[in-house]
Amino acid sequence: ETGVTQSPTHLIKTRGQQVTLRCSSQSGHNTVSWYQQALGQGPQFIFQYYREEENGRGNFPPRFSGLQFPNYSSELNVNALELDDSALYLCASRFLGANYGYTFGSGTRLTVV
Amino acid sequence: AQSVSQHNHHVILSEAASLELGCNYSYGGTVNLFWYVQYPGQHLQLLLKYFSGDPLVKGIKGFEAEFIKSKFSFNLRKPSVQWSDTAEYFCAVRRSQGNLIFGKGTKLSVKP
Repeated sequence: ETGVTQSPTHLIKTRGQQVTLRCSSQSGHNTVSWYQQALGQGPQFIFQYYREEENGRGNFPPRFSGLQFPNYSSELNVNALELDDSALYLCASRFLGANYGYTFGSGTRLTVV
Repeated sequence: AQSVSQHNHHVILSEAASLELGCNYSYGGTVNLFWYVQYPGQHLQLLLKYFSGDPLVKGIKGFEAEFIKSKFSFNLRKPSVQWSDTAEYFCAVRRSQGNLIFGKGTKLSVKP
């Protein structure tokens, strides 16, 4: 059972719309990362937040943005949705500096039509 | 750019067969290495990780992996697979305190 929960589990949006995905991290984890997993691919790093500041970003355009809150929750926002944004979006949390792996949530399946 | 290569896209085995899934990475510095498993409809779960020390790492469910620095490899092994091991397996690399870089995954199908 994962300590990271994501909502919603599934979402259908129209091209051009905006979407907000939510994640509740494991308690005590000060770092949260978001990944995009397209069908048949491994997860791709979008960005990472540490103590509410973005401290790493992958090769994603600025229309992908995020927030991290003091209560260990975070958001991924995507503006101007494109068909290629259809994917499974994964949230992962950990305690920065500790030698263990990330804990992943079950993901949000986003379909853009 | 740093990359992770998983050699097999889909592996099909019979129960009790031995498993080895290949993983190679391109970065030459200090790395942390991970294997994650994704059972159908479930979240990514950590199988095992390597940070330092003994290059032979034992994980959950009878899996192990060997880090061979000279070959930039971190292959996953299991002596005898079960039907319940049917899943997708992802190798991942992390540099320092950075993000995870995943391979494309290997689907394992185990025939009963």
